[in-house]
Amino acid sequence: EPEVTQTPSHQVTQMGQEVILRCVPISNHLYFYWYRQILGQKVEFLVSFYNNEISEKSEIFDDQFSVERPDGSNFTLKIRSTKLEDSAMYFCASSETSGRETQYFGPGTRLLVL
Amino acid sequence: QKEVEQDPGPLSVPEGAIVSLNCTYSNSAFQYFMWYRQYSRKGPELLMYTYSSGNKEDGRFTAQVDKSSKYISLFIRDSQPSDSATYLCAMSGQAGTALIFGKGTTLSVSS
Repeated sequence: EPEVTQTPSHQVTQMGQEVILRCVPISNHLYFYWYRQILGQKVEFLVSFYNNEISEKSEIFDDQFSVERPDGSNFTLKIRSTKLEDSAMYFCASSETSGRETQYFGPGTRLLVL
Repeated sequence: QKEVEQDPGPLSVPEGAIVSLNCTYSNSAFQYFMWYRQYSRKGPELLMYTYSSGNKEDGRFTAQVDKSSKYISLFIRDSQPSDSATYLCAMSGQAGTALIFGKGTTLSVSS
């Protein structure tokens, strides 16, 4: 069964450094998302991406964050100048087409900012 | 008022019990309703998807949506120890838009 994959599974970084989280969505999916989950808290929406542009973003997704689809398979989240409070699980998700709201999630990247 | 509310539990039941999990929401624009299962430190796994009101059944799982009461439920019949996980409700107003999640209910099924 097709699945969303994410790399790395764990990332430890120093405060102020830049990190890039990578995702390979399900191959025929057209909508891509990033969510995060701080330990013990709700899963929170960050951004959605369709047709090579951001279609929606939350208040969390400020200038520190950016997304990119550098080729036909990868979808990345870049976090610049990381802060301690960026420590969380980051989940990538994808969905097939508009009109079918079934988002499939990857296993996540656990980011720890020291 | 929080958009999506879900009792975090924990909920402990014996094997074979019927489990009822619930969420309430405040935004009447929500039309798409999902239940995800999340094992510890893993990604959410889609269990059930319902559009608008009504019931949907898949094996031991039944999802119900009551838009008039802004209330959704997930029932698990003949619960198994492998059902032990955190169950997240999620919803959105339009396809392709942000999912709004509840905090999740932690379920433990003992054998």
